[in-house]
Order: sequence, then C-alpha cells, then structure tokens
Amino acid sequence: DAKTTQPNSMESNEEEPVHLPCNHSTISGTDYIHWYRQLPSQGPEYVIHGLTSNVNNRMASLAIAEDRKSSTLILHRATLRDAAVYYCIVNGEKLTFGTGTRLTIIP
Amino acid sequence: DAGITQSPRHKVTETGTPVTLRCHQTENHRYMYWYRQDPGHGLRLIHYSYGVKDTDKGEVSDGYSVSRSKTEDFLLTLESATSSQTSVYFCAIATIDFYEQYFGPGTRLTVT
Repeated sequence: DAKTTQPNSMESNEEEPVHLPCNHSTISGTDYIHWYRQLPSQGPEYVIHGLTSNVNNRMASLAIAEDRKSSTLILHRATLRDAAVYYCIVNGEKLTFGTGTRLTIIP
Repeated sequence: DAGITQSPRHKVTETGTPVTLRCHQTENHRYMYWYRQDPGHGLRLIHYSYGVKDTDKGEVSDGYSVSRSKTEDFLLTLESATSSQTSVYFCAIATIDFYEQYFGPGTRLTVT
C-alpha cells in the first residue's frame, strides 16, 4: 500500500477555506485517494475519494496533482463542526489509516 | 446514516476470558471490516469479510477470530482477552465498489 504523509496538525479560522495536504509519492496507477475524518468520540466518516480528476461533493473538494503524488482536501468554508482528525488514505479495498491531521477551527 | 450498529457499546472483562463483539448492518452490503483504535494511532484493520463465510486477515489479526454466517452480522471474537486488547473497536461496511466505508459507533473494550 502507498504510504501517505500528512501534517500532524493544522489550524484555521472559522468561515475561511482550509487546504489539507497529503503526499503519496509511491501511489500506483490503480490506487484511489480516499479522505475520511473522525470527529471526537465518533467513528470515521467518509469525506471524498478520487482517482485522477478533481472531485467535488457536498462536504469538500479533492484536488489531485497531475502526477498523482499529492492531493489536497479543500473545505470551502470551515465551521466549528469541521474540527476533526482528517485521514488521507491511498490503497484499494483495505483502508490503511495513518495518524492523520488534527484540524482545529478557531472561532 | 448507514444502518450499522455495534454491541455491546462498552465492556469490561478480565484477562483470559472470551469476548465476542457484534456488528450488525441493515444495508445488505457485501464488505464488512473490524478495526481497532488505540491512543496515538490511527485505525488498524483486524479482519475483514467479502461475504458470508468469506473472511481474511488484516494487519493486526493475532489473538482475534471472526465469523460471518449471515450477510448482516460480522462477529469479532477474542478467544482469551489480554490487556493489550484494551481498545476501541470499530466495525465498518462498504458498498460493492468498496470505495466508501461507513463506520459504526464503536465498542470500548477494557481488559483488566
């Protein structure tokens, strides 16, 4: 499985966009890029996934580099409810969670 | 929310006793997973299932067994619980294309 590298923590102001980076330089051609988040005391929650093209859904956008060695999860307007640990995962049907990025939202 | 429940939600047990955790889904999804989460770690896959009576090991399967006799239920058994198995256990289900996993609320297990 491809290894991912994410910052341990990030802070963002409420109502501003947040860009969460992820490096996955060993990604293979068939690996999907998945993002999950985990709110305090809850199970992980699916956010978005993509292969090559940028993806948008109601929760976030996923920007994938042309060489697919990195990606960025974009929260367009952060709210306090977006404070969570965000996991970037690159592999197949078996998800391998790292330690993720702890996102703090500043009111 | 995906129809996935876990039972019990909390359990305290003694070292050496058997423990079974249950994951139940109402979505008829083929794929089911058991993870554990410990402080300072992300989730680690214990076992997973591709269908009834079709299971395989994850990265931390030692000391755990699973069974899936019905599509809706995936059982995780600790044959002889140890203190190192104190953890929060999450079950997940996935659609046929397995790109989206939906997680249960978790079971907090303490082995004393």
